[in-house]
Amino acid sequence: EVQLLESGGGLIQPGGSLRLSCAASGFAFNDYAMSWVRQAPGKGLQWVSTIIGSGYNTFYAGSVKGRFTVSRDNSRNTLSLQMNSLTVEDSAVYYCAKNGGFCTSATCYYFYQWGQGTPVTVSS
Amino acid sequence: QSLLTQPPSLSGAPGRRVTISCTGSSSNIGANYDVHWYQHVPGTAPKILIYAHTNRPSGVPDRFSASTSGSSASLAITGLQAEDEADYYCQSYDSSLGGWVFGGGTKLTVL
Repeated sequence: EVQLLESGGGLIQPGGSLRLSCAASGFAFNDYAMSWVRQAPGKGLQWVSTIIGSGYNTFYAGSVKGRFTVSRDNSRNTLSLQMNSLTVEDSAVYYCAKNGGFCTSATCYYFYQWGQGTPVTVSS
Repeated sequence: QSLLTQPPSLSGAPGRRVTISCTGSSSNIGANYDVHWYQHVPGTAPKILIYAHTNRPSGVPDRFSASTSGSSASLAITGLQAEDEADYYCQSYDSSLGGWVFGGGTKLTVL
């Protein structure tokens, strides 16, 4: 059974940094792209970042590019998201997701399985 | 404002059929990128309902179906049940953004 367990969320002041982690189990982790998707209070789902299986290619939403860094440790089946220069607009529940879809361009990717999410609140 | 437009809310009586629309443009659905659908009950993990336009993962009832035409897609739910009350999202890839996009979500209420 696939399990995705996020951790690292919490309350942080604007301008601060936070590192989220996602522990994955139940599948061949290094065979799959992984993503972070967030949901701000009262808002819809928003894609944040994706990293392919090897870790060599990463993708970011414009709103987080240059501030967030996605990485993975395939030896530990762990996905991470380093979030810097946080603003109140980054407050959300952050979900780790295992991608589905196999295509060379990655454009066919979808979010096949999800964790329960970890809440991040940016507030002074 | 999402690049994929969904109605904010819909409702239907038990047993009836509802359709949720997802309108995109030439940089996403209209560019032949795959469309996927999710069900999200607040407080729980989102769940994939349909991937690559029409495919249902195992365990998803055949009451859920979807289609895509031109720059739009739709999700149909037949035989509405109380447990279908949730938020529904379409998702695709957008070439102008260079990333993946979700619709704004549709809150489905089962009357």
